Amino acid sequence: GQNIDQPTEMTATEGAIVQINCTYQTSGFNGLFWYQQHAGEAPTFLSYNVLDGLEEKGRFSSFLSRSKGYSYLLLKELQMKDSASYLCAVRDSNYQLIWGAGTKLIIKP
Amino acid sequence: ETGVTQTPRHLVMGMTNKKSLKCEQHLGHNAMYWYKQSAKKPLELMFVYSLEERVENNSVPSRFSPECPNSSHLFLHLHTLQPEDSALYLCASSQDEGTGAAEAFFGQGTRLTVV
Repeated sequence: GQNIDQPTEMTATEGAIVQINCTYQTSGFNGLFWYQQHAGEAPTFLSYNVLDGLEEKGRFSSFLSRSKGYSYLLLKELQMKDSASYLCAVRDSNYQLIWGAGTKLIIKP
Repeated sequence: ETGVTQTPRHLVMGMTNKKSLKCEQHLGHNAMYWYKQSAKKPLELMFVYSLEERVENNSVPSRFSPECPNSSHLFLHLHTLQPEDSALYLCASSQDEGTGAAEAFFGQGTRLTVV
């Protein structure tokens, strides 16, 4: 079966750095997405990786290793507004998105 | 108005009621989706429409009935639901059905409670 694993919850301190990991086992691979979802709001697109390596976008970076079935989202200079759930999703060989259950990130002052 | 808009934001319905969820996208996308989001569970894809034709139905019970009258509007008709159907129902749209880097844009969802 297809599976996306990510930690259920993480806690970090304002101003610090946090890395949210995502491992996947899917039938084929056509890209990996990270989304941010604040409580009660719509998921919003953060990043897309299809080739190995690091994609940097401001305070957020996303890394992909296809051979290891592994990605991480790196958040730097954490702000209180970064408290949210972070969803990892992989597009399989049928171009269907397979979603993880999300990682709830709690930022403490 | 921009993006993906869903109405209502909250809905409480009895098991014998019939109600409809509405989604409207103003992005010019040609694919629209219904997802179910339950607490601490992955997003579950329910239906996919591409160019107003249904291309995916992931074994969703018949008490959920989608309708896509045009590329900008998507409905989810609900009848005789069960308490376990209580969840957040999210609508999304994208340009092209999932190819390339086309990310999905989500609405804020309808929080459905079945009593």
